This record gives sequence, C-alpha cells and structure tokens, in this order.
Amino acid sequence: DAGVIQSPRHEVTEMGQEVTLRCKPISGHNSLFWYRQTMMRGLELLIYFNNNVPIDDSGMPEDRFSAKMPNASFSTLKIQPSEPRDSAVYFCASTVREGNQPQHFGDGTRLSIL
Amino acid sequence: RKEVEQDPGPFNVPEGATVAFNCTYSNSASQSFFWYRQDCRKEPKLLMSVYSSGNEDGRFTAQLNRASQYISLLIRDSKLSDSATYLCVVTKGGGYQKVTFGTGTKLQVIP
Repeated sequence: DAGVIQSPRHEVTEMGQEVTLRCKPISGHNSLFWYRQTMMRGLELLIYFNNNVPIDDSGMPEDRFSAKMPNASFSTLKIQPSEPRDSAVYFCASTVREGNQPQHFGDGTRLSIL
Repeated sequence: RKEVEQDPGPFNVPEGATVAFNCTYSNSASQSFFWYRQDCRKEPKLLMSVYSSGNEDGRFTAQLNRASQYISLLIRDSKLSDSATYLCVVTKGGGYQKVTFGTGTKLQVIP
C-alpha cells in the first residue's frame, strides 16, 4: 500500500521566493497534518485538516504560511515570501480520525532557504 | 508546564542492556498514547500503541500510568539498530483530535 507521499523531497531556494510543498495522504484517511521539525524546536504542528476542512491552524507561524486541501487526496503548504528561518524539514501525516488511530508520516521535505 | 515532556537524553547504553524511557503528560483527559521512533534524517514511524493494560511487542514493552500521568517504554536486550530518537505522542479526542508530540529521547546503543 502506498504511504503518505510528499514532494519535493528537497527544496533549495532563495529568500523571497514562493515555496509550495505537496502531500498526498493515504487513501481513506480523513485527517491530515502538516508539521515542521527543527533541531531547536522539535516537531511542531502547523495545521490540521479533517475531511478537507482546516480545524486548527494555530500553529501556522504567520501570514506568510498558508495551507489548502482542495480534496481528500491532496494538500499544499505554501510559504510566500520565504525567509531563511523557514529552513526546516516539513512533514505531512495522515490518519483516520475515528478511534484515535496513529498518524502515518511522509518522508518529509527538506527545505533550505538561502 | 509542557503538555508532553520527555528527557532528551542521550541515553548511552551497551548492547544487550535494558533501558527505559518515561514520558509525562499534563492533560488528564488524554485518551490515546503512542511511541514513535525517528531515525536521523528520517520521518517518525509508529513503534507501538500504548494500551491501558500495558502491551508488549518483542523486546519492547509499553505501559500507561493514568494516575501519575505518564507512559513508559522499556527496551530489553538493546541492539545497535535500536539507536534512534523515541517520541511519545498523546492524543486527546472529542470534537477535535488534538495530537501532541514530545520532543523525543535520544538512545545510542554502544557496541
């Protein structure tokens, strides 16, 4: 079975550029999460969707970050404009909400903003 | 107080040793608990769920203590391949499934 698929795996870009990260959750999962991980701050939840609807975006750092989930099989996380402090590994995870099931993570996108 | 707290370690143990990690949580309404393993530069992967009665999977034993609000992970007969960071996860259900990850405990198994 295909797991959570993220793209790109690596992204290097200059500050000020727009960055778009993509995620395809596991088929049948109705909850999707975007996380950011750095050495200093660990794993931080950015936003959580349930049935394609954003439920909690309190972790989104600022207005430069936005996320969408137009359908059950696709989500994007966009940073515009990007800054060097946005450099991190961004993970997408999905799960079935009912029954408090564990999350399954994608391989992550390693983002470097120069 | 953090919602989920773990000793960051590192725990350096020799091969074959038994090692245990604890993770404390602050919300008594927490419902589900998990241990994840994360290797360097990789994604977190589910190691095991933690059930109220405690559960075992091979060399790994997980336990939940609701009264004291902590979960534990015991690894017996440590292998070099067990070297990783172990993250505890606490979930509070209801209308919004709030999931909180601990910052992880680093384990290094030494030959």
